[in-house]
Amino acid sequence: EAQVTQNPRYLITVTGKKLTVTCSQNMNHEYMSWYRQDPGLGLRQIYYSMNVEVTDKGDVPEGYKVSRKEKRNFPLILESPSPNQTSLYFCASSWTGATGELFFGEGSRLTVL
Amino acid sequence: KNEVEQSPQNLTAQEGEFITINCSYSVGISALHWLQQHPGGGIVSLFMLSSGKKKHGRLIATINIQEKHSSLHITASHPRDSAVYICAVILVGSNYKLTFGKGTLLTVNP
Repeated sequence: EAQVTQNPRYLITVTGKKLTVTCSQNMNHEYMSWYRQDPGLGLRQIYYSMNVEVTDKGDVPEGYKVSRKEKRNFPLILESPSPNQTSLYFCASSWTGATGELFFGEGSRLTVL
Repeated sequence: KNEVEQSPQNLTAQEGEFITINCSYSVGISALHWLQQHPGGGIVSLFMLSSGKKKHGRLIATINIQEKHSSLHITASHPRDSAVYICAVILVGSNYKLTFGKGTLLTVNP
């Protein structure tokens, strides 16, 4: 089954404790991207990757890092989480950039205390 | 002002009604997505449009690139259509960045 898998789905952590949210897709998609969703602000793009070893910033990259060492995986790294990074995070992938059909993960709800 | 505006923000309908959700944008775009998000659920892609009209079941999406406007129509609405509908645009010059509207919360009552 074609899918995008995120882990963890739910996480409560404390300020400053490094964490990684994993994203994996089984469709051999070249494009992967991370978004955060906040009440009143909607979805905003954090980072995206056009292919292995090629990444670029979205609209809200501050406080986040990404890597794309393999095609299937695109982890989101919070080196020193802060409460303003409390949010619902989504990973998505597609064949051909943002102009292709997007497949989203189920979301990861992160709370930073 | 947001680059992507959706209207209405909230919409309540009775089962069977014809629904229209609008998306307007102020920048040049190459294409537009309509997405659906059920309460507490993930996000599903409904349509990607760069011109004209697309239909899938009871859903119809139209776009007029020059007028900077797109609409999502739902015919014979059903309570299972209750969800947030989100418009997202791809700006001209970048095939990789998405800019989102804030969504329209649709509630369809039986």
